[in-house]
Amino acid sequence: GENVEQHPSTLSVQEGDSAVIKCTYSDSASNYFPWYKQELGKRPQLIIDIRSNVGEKKDQRIAVTLNKTAKHFSLHITETQPEDSAVYFCAANYGNEKLTFGTGTRLTIIP
Amino acid sequence: GAVVSQHPSWVICKSGTSVKIECRSLDFQATTMFWYRQFPKQSLMLMATSNEGSKATYEQGVEKDKFLINHASLTLSTLTVTSAHPEDSSFYICSAGADYEQFFGPGTRLTVL
Repeated sequence: GENVEQHPSTLSVQEGDSAVIKCTYSDSASNYFPWYKQELGKRPQLIIDIRSNVGEKKDQRIAVTLNKTAKHFSLHITETQPEDSAVYFCAANYGNEKLTFGTGTRLTIIP
Repeated sequence: GAVVSQHPSWVICKSGTSVKIECRSLDFQATTMFWYRQFPKQSLMLMATSNEGSKATYEQGVEKDKFLINHASLTLSTLTVTSAHPEDSSFYICSAGADYEQFFGPGTRLTVL
């Protein structure tokens, strides 16, 4: 199966600064890499995803980069705001639609 | 995005009883649904893949006789936790897949006393 590692486990960033979360995956056949934001007690919300045929995707303050050769992908949040505080999970697909999740990063934005 | 509902949102039960959780795709048909379990401060762990009209596929280490999954229609999958024990207390989340993307239900918090 797929194995996804995520770092760091916790991240504190001053409001307005950028945050970067990194993930690595093991299965070279994986071709879909979503990022989810989860607030306490709530469902994961898809914030951005990338497929293996592109190297970078951006949506306003959020961007994801993918390096297929190195099998790692990263989430970049710029101009962070207090409402960005949450737990973020990366994931990679395997066996068609199955997802393996990373261990999560607790992001805290310091006002 | 597509909408997935889950019921109940929380349940408290006595040890030894069974609990059924429903997952519905409200505005699309899902031939495949997924059931996850999430313990506090941990990641989502896939328990099983629910396939409409056929048996569920369970991940390694998940007891299929304890976690019964039924996917009777293209919009409904159910997870029954049989003979629940305190260690089964967790946050159970379903999702429905569509073209790689997964849409998650709001989750069910199960507490077994």
